[in-house]
Amino acid sequence: LAKTTQPISMDSYEGQEVNITCSHNNIATNDYITWYQQFPSQGPRFIIQGYKTKVTNEVASLFIPADRKSSTLSLPRVSLSDTAVYYCLVGDGSSNTGKLIFGQGTTLQVKP
Amino acid sequence: DSGVTQTPKHLITATGQRVTLRCSPRSGDLSVYWYQQSLDQGLQFLIQYYNGEERAKGNILERFSAQQFPDLHSELNLSSLELGDSALYFCASSVGAGTPLAVGYGYTFGSGTRLTVV
Repeated sequence: LAKTTQPISMDSYEGQEVNITCSHNNIATNDYITWYQQFPSQGPRFIIQGYKTKVTNEVASLFIPADRKSSTLSLPRVSLSDTAVYYCLVGDGSSNTGKLIFGQGTTLQVKP
Repeated sequence: DSGVTQTPKHLITATGQRVTLRCSPRSGDLSVYWYQQSLDQGLQFLIQYYNGEERAKGNILERFSAQQFPDLHSELNLSSLELGDSALYFCASSVGAGTPLAVGYGYTFGSGTRLTVV
């Protein structure tokens, strides 16, 4: 699986838009980019997944430039409840194993 | 409720003891994964079972073992416990043996078992 690099932590205030960028220089042609969210003492939860350009769902948007060497998770108008760790994962899913390899993630702290 | 059930939620035990953590996957899922999360190591993949067979192994210690039963529930056995084994242990499940990243929404985590070794 391609190695990913994310900021260790970020701070924001309620109502702001938060953008978390993940670098994945060795991404392969068939790799997808997936983001997970983890609240304290809970299991990670799938947020969004994309391959190229832009993907949007009810929770977030994912921006992927043409070279796909990075991706940006965008959380619109965050609230205190968005305080969590956000993980970026990259892989093609063609492996015969379903294991996910998590990096350190980005700890987002939303302040009032 | 994610559909993945882990028991117990909390476990406190002494060093040298043995414990068993249990996981029931989401209905219809054939794969079960075990992860360990400690403060200094982050989320570490331990082992995967698919339809009763071991599928992949990660950073699982020899003191740890797992199995998946015919009804697809799984147990993680931790023996000769050390203080450093204190962590959150998560179970996850998915339908197939692989391809979770292409179908990320099909991969579901439970709420974990917090193990404290004293």
